[in-house]
Amino acid sequence: SQTIHQWPATLVQPVGSPLSLECTVEGTSNPNLYWYRQAAGRGLQLLFYSVGIGQISSEVPQNLSASRPQDRQFILSSKKLLLSDSGFYLCAWSAAGTGINQPQHFGDGTRLSIL
Amino acid sequence: GEDVEQSLFLSVREGDSSVINCTYTDSSSTYLYWYKQEPGAGLQLLTYIFSNMDMKQDQRLTVLLNKKDKHLSLRIADTQTGDSAIYFCAEGRKGGYGGATNKLIFGTGTLLAVQP
Repeated sequence: SQTIHQWPATLVQPVGSPLSLECTVEGTSNPNLYWYRQAAGRGLQLLFYSVGIGQISSEVPQNLSASRPQDRQFILSSKKLLLSDSGFYLCAWSAAGTGINQPQHFGDGTRLSIL
Repeated sequence: GEDVEQSLFLSVREGDSSVINCTYTDSSSTYLYWYKQEPGAGLQLLTYIFSNMDMKQDQRLTVLLNKKDKHLSLRIADTQTGDSAIYFCAEGRKGGYGGATNKLIFGTGTLLAVQP
């Protein structure tokens, strides 16, 4: 069966420091991968998605970047964190293709606090 | 627009049925999904319905789809305190992300509070 792992679970970083959050998926090949940020309370904002190695698309302009060095690895990074980068970051995967049911399956998230 | 709308809050007593409602905008949506988020956790896929169906039942969960009104509901029978969580509906639109995959549009979530 497929599993998705995110780490770390929580992270406290000072303003201006770099960031690296990692997400890996097991049990499937060539998944679509996603990074979301969840604002306080509710909404899910899609940050990046990837349909293959080295193929990253950004949904919103921001201080963050994403990379996919391997088929089942998705990394969220920043060179210099801002206070506004605080939030709950969720990674998700789905099966590739458009003709089938494609729910997204989420990791447990990383709670990022910027001081 | 792209909005998927849900009411923000629902309170029920333990043992009662809960009905969480959602309206969506795109009549060409393929699948419609319900996710559950417990405090501090990721989103858990609960169930989904294909757009050519009217109803789907899965144990205590019943999903009703009214395509004419673009209205989706999730009914939880015999609601328990462990059902307390935020529930998100999402619509799947074919050909999102440059045509490579389906794009999911999430609602803002409904907080379900179950009173003992």
